[in-house]
Amino acid sequence: KNEVEQSPQNLTAQEGEFITINCSYSVGISALHWLQQHPGGGIVSLFMLSSGKKKHGRLIATINIQEKHSSLHITASHPRDSAVYICAVEGGSQGNLIFGKGTKLSVKP
Amino acid sequence: DTAVSQTPKYLVTQMGNDKSIKCEQNLGHDTMYWYKQDSKKFLKIMFSYNNKELIINETVPNRFSPKSPDKAHLNLHINSLELGDSAVYFCASSQVTRGQLFFGSGTQLSVL
Repeated sequence: KNEVEQSPQNLTAQEGEFITINCSYSVGISALHWLQQHPGGGIVSLFMLSSGKKKHGRLIATINIQEKHSSLHITASHPRDSAVYICAVEGGSQGNLIFGKGTKLSVKP
Repeated sequence: DTAVSQTPKYLVTQMGNDKSIKCEQNLGHDTMYWYKQDSKKFLKIMFSYNNKELIINETVPNRFSPKSPDKAHLNLHINSLELGDSAVYFCASSQVTRGQLFFGSGTQLSVL
């Protein structure tokens, strides 16, 4: 079993839909990252959080430390949101990042 | 100005060769990283440097040697390249250890 599990692996949505991507982890962590990898390959950090909730534009990330679970929500999805979304947790004494396998999102117009 | 730049973007080479990938960040960050993304798009940390000091060295073959001449640069040297080294290599930086990450655009290495 991977230390970081994401679901779903693939997600197809219609433009305008509300999207949720889930991340569960099995290790103690100091922080959790959500990353976005565009079809061209570039990786952008969306959020880094250790508790509660963060919002940036149409993106919202939440984390529940007790349940070892985080969600990434996208409101009013748009085709430009099509990308792979990767959850990564910081664990260990050196803060090594452990990555999930990613969720491939495709938003159709 | 690109915050984290790595060169080259593409690298095609023969087995057994030695190659380097360069990374520079102009963000004034203290920590830099190398990550490997395999053919299944799975990311894994290779190395982390904080102020030119190695702080993370995952189980990477010692054919891979990072070098940090100053805290703005972290280069990756690979000796005796093997087919299995083919992957995309990402450099990244953060202001402090355990900070928000800023990634370079990646170097796609193909070993023939």
